[in-house]
Amino acid sequence: DVKVTQSSRYLVKRTGEKVFLECVQDMDHENMFWYRQDPGLGLRLIYFSYDVKMKEKGDIPEGYSVSREKKERFSLILESASTNQTSMYLCASSLGTATYEQYFGPGTRLTVT
Amino acid sequence: KNQVEQSPQSLIILEGKNCTLQCNYTVSPFSNLRWYKQDTGRGPVSLTIMTFSENTKSNGRYTATLDADTKQSSLHITASQLSDSASYICVVSDNAGNMLTFGGGTRLMVKP
Repeated sequence: DVKVTQSSRYLVKRTGEKVFLECVQDMDHENMFWYRQDPGLGLRLIYFSYDVKMKEKGDIPEGYSVSREKKERFSLILESASTNQTSMYLCASSLGTATYEQYFGPGTRLTVT
Repeated sequence: KNQVEQSPQSLIILEGKNCTLQCNYTVSPFSNLRWYKQDTGRGPVSLTIMTFSENTKSNGRYTATLDADTKQSSLHITASQLSDSASYICVVSDNAGNMLTFGGGTRLMVKP
């Protein structure tokens, strides 16, 4: 069965803190994605990776960075968290390009105070 | 700019009733269209995926239609159940690569 897991379901951080969100998939998928989801705005792509150590900016990369040292793991990093980064963060993985289905993790609800 | 518009934004129906959710898109060139169901506090789960040549696809009580000429899709839910309460997201993929365009979702509430 397909499995995408995220390190935390809920996270509360202070402004200025460095935040790490971890995502792991067990399907040997090439592509991994980080999205944020806000009410009324839908899902917006932050970064994606199509291979180990490779990354591409999505629609809203500002304030974020990513790391993919191993195929199964994709990390999202908030270098200095701000209140406008309070959101639901969703990780996804897929076997190939956008023509392939993306499988989503359960999400991390991040609150920055 | 690629866009996906969903309507209505929210919907309340009684258990056992049918409903239809709408999705209009301007994504080009079109590759496929997916409907996802997202329970509160969970990640989206795929219901159906349709390519250009398909105009109807069913998954249990869920039936999706696609009109590639008018760039419209609908998701019909038959004999709704309380567990159908969720957000339904329409997602369209183009042929250009890894980019998906997400609709804002329709929030469905099924009441007993």
